Amino acid sequence: EAGVAQSPRYKIIEKRQSVAFWCNPISGHATLYWYQQILGQGPKLLIQFQNNGVVDDSQLPKDRFSAERLKGVDSTLKIQPAKLEDSAVYLCAIRVGATEAFFGQGTRLTVV
Amino acid sequence: LAKTTQPISMDSYEGQEVNITCSHNNIATNDYITWYQQFPSQGPRFIIQGYKTKVTNEVASLFIPADRKSSTLSLPRVSLSDTAVYYCLVGSDNYGQNFVFGPGTRLSVLP
Repeated sequence: EAGVAQSPRYKIIEKRQSVAFWCNPISGHATLYWYQQILGQGPKLLIQFQNNGVVDDSQLPKDRFSAERLKGVDSTLKIQPAKLEDSAVYLCAIRVGATEAFFGQGTRLTVV
Repeated sequence: LAKTTQPISMDSYEGQEVNITCSHNNIATNDYITWYQQFPSQGPRFIIQGYKTKVTNEVASLFIPADRKSSTLSLPRVSLSDTAVYYCLVGSDNYGQNFVFGPGTRLSVLP
């Protein structure tokens, strides 16, 4: 059964501060994604992992964003330093079967 | 990846049937069509998927014409709790492929 836990649910930081998000998926799913969803828009892929390796990070702002996946299960996404435009919901998802994504509830980040 | 186009928003009343159409003119032979539903403060949730003709589950029906260049999500007898954003996605079972979301259709169900 699929399950994705994300923490924290909400975070408020000042610009130029650092922040980290955690994703704890149920084990056994090789493909993991981080999406950014700005208010009023659809989710946008930031990075895709296959086990420990990065498959696609072409849309990740690498000057400030970083992500890793530990032992092919848990993952963290970090922003350092944060900008006002980083205010969004950050969603973690796993691939279930061949053609379905299962999402966590997300972390809502507000940068002030 | 095939691009999808769907209405930005729709309004309906409780008890009505709602049909949301998605265009995907350059769908590939091995692509599936998948619809997700997203409520505020939650991640998108898979609701239905199909390849061709008609698929029905306990939540919705999905109609796909023979040319597969469009698809229609049908929600029977909507209630206020069906107010959400609905996304149409097209993609294959290639594990290297990610899930590409457009802006979706914001459905508002009115009493």
